[in-house]
Amino acid sequence: AQSVTQLGSHVSVSEGALVLLRCNYSSSVPPYLFWYVQYPNQGLQLLLKYTTGATLVKGINGFEAEFKKSETSFHLTKPSAHMSDAAEYFCAVSVQGGSYIPTFGRGTSLIVHP
Amino acid sequence: DGGITQSPKYLFRKEGQNVTLSCEQNLNHDAMYWYRQDPGQGLRLIYYSQIVNDFQKGDIAEGYSVSREKKESFPLTVTSAQKNPTAFYLCASSIEQGPYEQYFGPGTRLTVT
Repeated sequence: AQSVTQLGSHVSVSEGALVLLRCNYSSSVPPYLFWYVQYPNQGLQLLLKYTTGATLVKGINGFEAEFKKSETSFHLTKPSAHMSDAAEYFCAVSVQGGSYIPTFGRGTSLIVHP
Repeated sequence: DGGITQSPKYLFRKEGQNVTLSCEQNLNHDAMYWYRQDPGQGLRLIYYSQIVNDFQKGDIAEGYSVSREKKESFPLTVTSAQKNPTAFYLCASSIEQGPYEQYFGPGTRLTVT
């Protein structure tokens, strides 16, 4: 069975600083990995996804993530935080053995200070 | 615009009453999902459906029921057997069941007192 761990339920950064949200997964087969963002009282929206091929994935709003198989990680980064980036971020993993039903992490709340 | 609609946005019920949450999509997606979200818990899968007239239990199906009579609709009923029904409920769809992104509705916040 697959699992996802997001380190840090809250991450606080200053506006303009680097954003790093950590995601580690566990899977015995090649994973498909996703990052979603959720603004208060709204549904989730896809930021980016890794399926196969290039391990550095670029998404919307300047975010990117790198799939590192050796570290079983898929950390999300953004060079410079904006106030509008304040939201909840979810990492998810999907595998063939699990009928591709995604398993979500518990989420990381990004706080951006002026 | 294509998307997923959930209604109502907020729902209040008395304990012991069944309540049905609506989920409609016009994306022509085959697969649909219901999740429950509680603070600090992430998303937990309640039910999912790959095609019309077929659905499967997720991790926390007890106290819930669904139907999938039409491709575009996947209503969720929260029954009186659900011990802690107060939560934020999210409906999602994907083009089919596979390694594809999910599209989410805006959610329904259910409060049971």
